[in-house]
Amino acid sequence: EDQVTQSPEALRLQEGESSSLNCSYTVSGLRGLFWYRQDPGKGPEFLFTLYSAGEEKEKERLKATLTKKESFLHITAPKPEDSATYLCAVQASLNGLTFGKGTHLIIQP
Amino acid sequence: EAGVAQSPRYKIIEKRQSVAFWCNPISGHATLYWYQQILGQGPKLLIQFQNNGVVDDSQLPKDRFSAERLKGVDSTLKIQPAKLEDSAVYLCASSLGFSGNTIYFGEGSWLTVV
Repeated sequence: EDQVTQSPEALRLQEGESSSLNCSYTVSGLRGLFWYRQDPGKGPEFLFTLYSAGEEKEKERLKATLTKKESFLHITAPKPEDSATYLCAVQASLNGLTFGKGTHLIIQP
Repeated sequence: EAGVAQSPRYKIIEKRQSVAFWCNPISGHATLYWYQQILGQGPKLLIQFQNNGVVDDSQLPKDRFSAERLKGVDSTLKIQPAKLEDSAVYLCASSLGFSGNTIYFGEGSWLTVV
């Protein structure tokens, strides 16, 4: 059974204070690892897809990396508008996504 | 480009009543998904369609939930009869294919069962 574990569950940072979110996974036949951002009352918004170990992708203040067992979402010099829940998900074979519970991130001004 | 459209956005019903949610995927997307997200949890896949055929419905409570995708475009998810534990957000999503393609989500339909 595919499993995704995200840590920490919640994280409070000061504006400008860089940090990383972790996503550990076990899956047979990884087709892709996905990061989404979810704001309150909204659907998940796509951020990145990573396909193989060693791959990295960046978007503004966010950078996602992937190893064979985990992925990290690095947030550099975050701003209050980066506050959201960040969801990690894996896709195996032909199936839909298996999500973690998410990390609730709060950036204080 | 228009995103995934869902309706209604909010619904409150009493237990044992029925409810239906509608989804219109992004144009050209062959794969459509319905997810259930309970407060504080990540989304859980209920059913996956490829065109109008079911690819995976292993986590769909078939005694009360049903879904269809007629003509391979729009989809409807129905719950009958609803239970208190069905209170959740029902998210529709779509993608071009089903292996490694980006999956785009709608805003969700919020269901409260009282």
